[in-house]
Amino acid sequence: TQLLEQSPQFLSIQEGENLTVYCNSSSVFSSLQWYRQEPGEGPVLLVTVVTGGEVKKLKRLTFQFGDARKDSSLHITAAQTGDTGLYLCAGPNTGGFKTIFGAGTRLFVKA
Amino acid sequence: DTEVTQTPKHLVMGMTNKKSLKCEQHMGHRAMYWYKQKAKKPPELMFVYSYEKLSINESVPSRFSPECPNSSLLNLHLHALQPEDSALYLCASSHEGRTALNIGYTFGSGTRLTVV
Repeated sequence: TQLLEQSPQFLSIQEGENLTVYCNSSSVFSSLQWYRQEPGEGPVLLVTVVTGGEVKKLKRLTFQFGDARKDSSLHITAAQTGDTGLYLCAGPNTGGFKTIFGAGTRLFVKA
Repeated sequence: DTEVTQTPKHLVMGMTNKKSLKCEQHMGHRAMYWYKQKAKKPPELMFVYSYEKLSINESVPSRFSPECPNSSLLNLHLHALQPEDSALYLCASSHEGRTALNIGYTFGSGTRLTVV
């Protein structure tokens, strides 16, 4: 069974700090996606990483896909209160048509 | 139009009621999904429609009945629900095909369902 484990589960930081959240698996994924979900809303796709070792930047957010395509990280520089939310990593299961979600990292950025 | 629209936003229903959740997209996506999300948990897949045909049912109880009237619309009919069915119900869409899973989904804002 493919699993995605995210860490930490919860993170509370001050505005302006940097942070990194992780998404790990013992299985190889053809791609991984990162979503951000705000309370009472649906997840919003932030990025998809496809190539091992790939790095993508989205303003203050940097996403990395591990060389072996078993893990990914999300680094946020100078966090803002608007970054508060649930960050989910997700990826397609092997041989199927389903997406596997990690349990998420709940980020709270204090002003 | 790059949105998935879900209605209603909130729904309170009794255990004997019949109600429907609606989802609409105009992005030309041919795969549509229903997910259920409980508080502080990730989304759980319920149903997948591909080219308007049901392709995956994740052993969902029959009190949930999906319907895909056309390529833009997805409904979820609810009947005789239990309080434990209270959750955020999310609709999503994507391009069809195995490679579509590498692209990701567009989610709607969800329907917050409370069963009393």
